[in-house]
Amino acid sequence: EPEVTQTPSHQVTQMGQEVILRCVPISNHLYFYWYRQILGQKVEFLVSFYNNEISEKSEIFDDQFSVERPDGSNFTLKIRSTKLEDSAMYFCASSEQGRETQYFGPGTRLLVL
Amino acid sequence: GEDVEQSLFLSVREGDSSVINCTYTDSSSTYLYWYKQEPGAGLQLLTYIFSNMDMKQDQRLTVLLNKKDKHLSLRIADTQTGDSAIYFCAEIPNSGGYQKVTFGTGTKLQVIP
Repeated sequence: EPEVTQTPSHQVTQMGQEVILRCVPISNHLYFYWYRQILGQKVEFLVSFYNNEISEKSEIFDDQFSVERPDGSNFTLKIRSTKLEDSAMYFCASSEQGRETQYFGPGTRLLVL
Repeated sequence: GEDVEQSLFLSVREGDSSVINCTYTDSSSTYLYWYKQEPGAGLQLLTYIFSNMDMKQDQRLTVLLNKKDKHLSLRIADTQTGDSAIYFCAEIPNSGGYQKVTFGTGTKLQVIP
């Protein structure tokens, strides 16, 4: 069964450093998403992406964040200058259509020191 | 309100039925979901229900939907120790953005052998 994959599974970085989290969505899906889950808290929406542009973003997704689909398979989330409060599990998701079921990857656990 | 509400914790004995309840926010949500998150793992889509249905059964899982009260429940029959996890109720609301999944607070299910 097709699934969303994410790399790396864990990342440790120093405050102020840039990180890039990678995702490979399900191949025939057209909509891509990033969510995050701070330890012990709810899963929160960050951004959705369709047709090579951001279609929706939350207030969390400020200028430090960017997303890109650099080729036909990868979907990336970049955090330009990480802060301690960026420490969280980051989930990528994809869906075939915009209002349909989203399938989530296993997540990348980011720790900012 | 904006929050999808769930009770935080449920403890059941192995072999008993578990019922996890959720109150969601948007009565016009088209899809309502249950996701399962095992410790340290990603979000696994368990099941979903269309808003024009009252009930959906899938093997040991039964989803009940009460649109009038905006209440969703997940019943797990013959609960096993492998069902121990956090269960998230989720919706894609029709208001406040059309693509993001809004997650509940999560219910931690503990199955006692």
